[in-house]
Amino acid sequence: GAVVSQHPSRVICKSGTSVKIECRSLDFQATTMFWYRQFPKKSLMLMATSNEGSKATYEQGVEKDKFLINHASLTLSTLTVTSAHPEDSSFYICSAFPGTTGYNEQFFGPGTRLTVL
Amino acid sequence: TQLLEQSPQFLSIQEGENLTVYCNSSSVFSSLQWYRQEPGEGPVLLVTVVTGGEVKKLKRLTFQFGDARKDSSLHITAAQPGDTGLYLCVKIQGAQKLVFGQGTRLTINP
Repeated sequence: GAVVSQHPSRVICKSGTSVKIECRSLDFQATTMFWYRQFPKKSLMLMATSNEGSKATYEQGVEKDKFLINHASLTLSTLTVTSAHPEDSSFYICSAFPGTTGYNEQFFGPGTRLTVL
Repeated sequence: TQLLEQSPQFLSIQEGENLTVYCNSSSVFSSLQWYRQEPGEGPVLLVTVVTGGEVKKLKRLTFQFGDARKDSSLHITAAQPGDTGLYLCVKIQGAQKLVFGQGTRLTINP
């Protein structure tokens, strides 16, 4: 199956700093990638849809100036958490849609655990 | 607002027992997916169902899509510790957007 990687897998930062998370599709091109947030013992919540070559589409309630998304190429999307605060601590997961399989199958990255002190 | 309701939200059973997890919606699904997520990892697709009344089997897992395409169930026979994880039902909204259910956290005790 298709492989999606995320880097870093874990990051700890101080309050007020910015953190960049990378999502890469390793063996396919993805015109669309998705960013999710997951709180402990909870389900995934879609934050935004990342579109290659255009602006990301954010879900209601997600601050676009705080969560900057850049889809610079067909294999890379980045999520930057700006001026991070402890409430931004969470598990961030990306997914990519190859667009070549049926039934809208998306492939998920392994996630990035962000801890803001 | 949760579009998908899963029950139970937590389930802890002994190895060898059977279990069923349910996913319900007030609206019709065009298609529905089940994912499993292990701690510290991303979700992995188990199955996609698209036809009302459809039944799919994946080893000891049986997935059923309701006739009216508003509900689905996942049945596990003779559960094993390796089945432990978070099971998520997912609705496909529009072309690609996934809407996740609340999840069922399953623990199989040896």
